[in-house]
Amino acid sequence: ETGVTQTPRHLVMGMTNKKSLKCEQHLGHNAMYWYKQSAKKPLELMFVYSLEERVENNSVPSRFSPECPNSSHLFLHLHTLQPEDSALYLCASSQDPTGPTLEAFFGQGTRLTVV
Amino acid sequence: AQKVTQAQTEISVVEKEDVTLDCVYETRDTTYYLFWYKQPPSGELVFLIRRNSFDEQNEISGRYSWNFQKSTSSFNFTITASQVVDSAVYFCALSDSGSARQLTFGSGTQLTVLP
Repeated sequence: ETGVTQTPRHLVMGMTNKKSLKCEQHLGHNAMYWYKQSAKKPLELMFVYSLEERVENNSVPSRFSPECPNSSHLFLHLHTLQPEDSALYLCASSQDPTGPTLEAFFGQGTRLTVV
Repeated sequence: AQKVTQAQTEISVVEKEDVTLDCVYETRDTTYYLFWYKQPPSGELVFLIRRNSFDEQNEISGRYSWNFQKSTSSFNFTITASQVVDSAVYFCALSDSGSARQLTFGSGTQLTVLP
């Protein structure tokens, strides 16, 4: 199994739909992240969870709602999205705040298209 | 504030050529960490290397090498004898705290290796 697994890999949703993205990590890490990757833009950190508590929310609109039920799982609940929310959503995990391995490990992402 | 600049948006080379990807960073901290990630078409970001600010030794790993120069705030990445499988987007990133929470990514360089 890969270290960080995201489902679904692709999602097309209408602006009035509600959907959820799922992320699972098998690395024993205690922090998980949601990033947004839009075309021709740097990766944008959306949310950080450390020890299952949200520690950062980088001014993300409320139509994105994260949930971290335990240290291995992270969800991103989506509702009433806009076409400009179409992007690749990447989940990552790491040891936090610091540890012998500082790097984040990423999943393959969910390609979201809002129509 | 931190900033990472990857001025090369796209690079194309022919297989077996050497290629260098540039990364210039800005930070006010004396302790910081630099990273390179590879993003193949499948989407996930694959960790390649981490370097801390106190270690200016260049590193070689197979066909990959990294040149860290504090004097010019650069952390360049060279692929020797490039292969088609090296085609990907490469991201340089900076963390001043050592925590993956504060990763600042560059905008990435799309490398295409032609057969």
